[in-house]
Amino acid sequence: KQEVTQIPAALSVPEGENLVLNCSFTDSAIYNLQWFRQAPGKGLTSLLLIQSSQREQTSGRLNASLDKSSGRSTLYIAASQPGDSATYLCAGGSGNTGKLIFGQGTTLQVKP
Amino acid sequence: SQTIHQWPATLVQPVGSPLSLECTVEGTSNPNLYWYRQAAGRGLQLLFYSVGIGQISSEVPQNLSASRPQDRQFILSSKKLLLSDSGFYLCAWSVGVGQPQHFGDGTRLSIL
Repeated sequence: KQEVTQIPAALSVPEGENLVLNCSFTDSAIYNLQWFRQAPGKGLTSLLLIQSSQREQTSGRLNASLDKSSGRSTLYIAASQPGDSATYLCAGGSGNTGKLIFGQGTTLQVKP
Repeated sequence: SQTIHQWPATLVQPVGSPLSLECTVEGTSNPNLYWYRQAAGRGLQLLFYSVGIGQISSEVPQNLSASRPQDRQFILSSKKLLLSDSGFYLCAWSVGVGQPQHFGDGTRLSIL
């Protein structure tokens, strides 16, 4: 059974810092890993998707990596801004249904 | 471009009342559709998914049901709500297994 864990649960950094969010999964048979951002009380915004055959994906200040052998993914945010404050969720796709197994999320606060 | 709509945004219902939440997708045909629930203090959990009209699969036993009467319409229902049905309900779509899932803005359901 796939389980996804995100550490830390909460993170507070000063503006301008680079930071890394961690995601680990127990079943290496995932076919992709997707990172989302969720503002308080809002829906999810897809940030990056890494297919199982890929090692990383980049979009602007965001870089996501995937290491299936170790069961880990990281989301790197460069030059953080107060507007980056949100909860970041990772989710592994597995099975033949396309369902995602979500971690509990990391709540990020970037202080001006 | 594709868009996904959910309504209502918020809903307050008494215990034992019926429920109908609606989700529609525009700009794509034959999408995979998903209903997730995010309960307080818990991660997102898949409730139902559908790969086509009239095709519904349930992930967890519960007091809820889902239907897909049209290609781009996904409905979440209950005949009698329980207190434990409170939560944030999110609808998502993708073009297929292994492809990114895109989420609506969600419905916050409170049961009194």
